[in-house]
Formats: sequence, C-alpha cells, structure tokens
Amino acid sequence: KAGVTQTPRYLIKTRGQQVTLSCSPISGHRSVSWYQQTPGQGLQFLFEYFSETQRNKGNFPGRFSGRQFSNSRSEMNVSTLELGDSALYLCASSPAGTGSVRNTEAFFGQGTRLTVV
Amino acid sequence: DAKTTQPTSMDCAEGRAANLPCNHSTISGNEYVYWYRQIHSQGPQYIIHGLKNNETNEMASLIITEDRKSSTLILPHATLRDTAVYYCIVRVAHQNSGGSNYKLTFGKGTLLTVNP
Repeated sequence: KAGVTQTPRYLIKTRGQQVTLSCSPISGHRSVSWYQQTPGQGLQFLFEYFSETQRNKGNFPGRFSGRQFSNSRSEMNVSTLELGDSALYLCASSPAGTGSVRNTEAFFGQGTRLTVV
Repeated sequence: DAKTTQPTSMDCAEGRAANLPCNHSTISGNEYVYWYRQIHSQGPQYIIHGLKNNETNEMASLIITEDRKSSTLILPHATLRDTAVYYCIVRVAHQNSGGSNYKLTFGKGTLLTVNP
C-alpha cells in the first residue's frame, strides 16, 4: 500500500508570491490534515479535511487555506508569502470513520520543505 | 486536548531497552495516549496508542499507569535507527462514522539518542 505522497518535496519562493502544495493520502483514507513545522514553533496544526469539508482549523492567518477533492487528495495554499512561512509542511491521512478507535492513527508524508527568500 | 510533559532528551545504549516517560496528569476519561516519533527530516511516524490497558505491537509497548496520569513507551531492543524525537500526545479518538476530528497537538517531545 502506497504511503502519503506530498509534492513537491522542495520549493523556493519569493516573498509576496503564493504557493500550492499537494497531498495524496493513503488509498481509502478520508481524513487529511496539514501541519507546519519550524525550529522555533515545532509542529503546529493547520487544518483538517474530511469528505471535502474543513472540520478543524488551527491558529493561522487567512493566507493559509486548503481544500480537499472528492478523491480525498488535498491541497494547501499560502498567499502573499512571508519569510516566516519558511517551514516543513506535513500532510497526514487517517482512515477515520471506520467504526474502530484502532483506525484513528495518522500517517504522515515526508513533507514539503518551503523556503521563502 | 490534555497537556503532556516529557523529558527533553534521553540516551540509551544500543540493544538495551529504552523507556520513555510521559506525564499527562490532566487527561480526561475519553482521551487516549498516542506516541509518534520523528526521525530527522522525515514526517512523524505513528508508534502506538492506548486508553488504559497496556498495549504492545511490533514496534513498542505502552504502559499506562492505573490512574492514567502517566505512561511509558518501551522500545525493547533499541537500535541506532531508533534515534529520533518521540512525541507523547493525548487526544480524544473519534471513531464514529461521522468522521474524525483530527487535530494532533505536538509538544517538544523527547530526543532519544541511541549510542553504539
């Protein structure tokens, strides 16, 4: 079974630009979450999508947005990039909704390392 | 989600058991204990989770105290590849068909260094 796939793996952008990151969850997983990881703040939750609906959102400005498609693939977008947006962006998928608490663990991708210059 | 407290770092000799503690004194009755680890520059990896009974899988064992205020992750025979940051997280595990509310709150974790 293929794992969570994030593309691209590395990205360099200029301040003021916008960027779109992609995440393909494990086949059959319906929940996709996004996290930002920086040396100073650690791993922080951005948002979670389930069945194309945003179910939970972290404490990030509106420049950070996302969406989920009918095949559960997800994208996140950051507009008007700032230097502080440089980070590792991680996507996690979860089986969710299968009726068993043993299927609630999250599986993470390798992440997209975004550098804003 | 309840807050957890973990030591900043620990060392372990290769081949020995690594015991990583976690305090979660404010855990609620419906919150589970989850453990993840993150090897440098990779995404976090799920290890194990439990509610109140001890759990074991191919990676590790999880021992939860009777009052559920603390737990210990045990790697029975640590290898150099187990060097990583280990995160203890407590959260409600939603499992109904309405979907999950999937927010993981990561703390600083414990940097486990396995030495040869």
